[in-house]
Amino acid sequence: ILNVEQSPQSLHVQEGDSTNFTCSFPSSNFYALHWYRWETAKSPEALFVMTLNGDEKKKGRISATLNTKEGYSYLYIKGSQPEDSATYLCAPSMYSGGGADGLTFGKGTHLIIQP
Amino acid sequence: SAVISQKPSRDICQRGTSLTIQCQVDSQVTMMFWYRQQPGQSLTLIATANQGSEATYESGFVIDKFPISRPNLTFSTLTVSNMSPEDSSIYLCSGRLAVDNEQFFGPGTRLTVL
Repeated sequence: ILNVEQSPQSLHVQEGDSTNFTCSFPSSNFYALHWYRWETAKSPEALFVMTLNGDEKKKGRISATLNTKEGYSYLYIKGSQPEDSATYLCAPSMYSGGGADGLTFGKGTHLIIQP
Repeated sequence: SAVISQKPSRDICQRGTSLTIQCQVDSQVTMMFWYRQQPGQSLTLIATANQGSEATYESGFVIDKFPISRPNLTFSTLTVSNMSPEDSSIYLCSGRLAVDNEQFFGPGTRLTVL
């Protein structure tokens, strides 16, 4: 069972402020890291799939970095808006010889943007 | 991308009964998975649904409790058998278009067992 840690568990941020949170995972047999945003009663929304050490990806005000050697990824949100309120999940997949395994998720960071 | 739908969206069931959840994908996905999220816990992989053969279960999950079918590339079912209150969870279906592509999720089935 993979140990996937996300911190902080919850976060309150003022509208307009920028914020970031962390995902850590085992670095051995790493295949890819997935970030999701999950709003209540909706499907988890895929944000990024990252595979290469040093990778940086951006989608609007949200960006992510990846360090596969030390086993962590950061997600950044610039200029937070109320619609950013959600639970952000990370999930590494590991190489199993026949391809990537199913995803193992962290418990998520629950982000609340306060107007 | 892929759009995944699930039925039912929610249900309240009695202890000892079984519920079958259906998952339909609008694209031919290479891999399909079933997850659950118990209250306060992370999304946990139950099994990989294999087309035309038995599902591959993760540690702690067994076929007798969670039988899974996948008759084709776009459809799968998960049955939660002989339910107990501990089975109260959100159950999510997921599909992946290729091994290293994005993985898409359905909206989930919220199950409450009394």
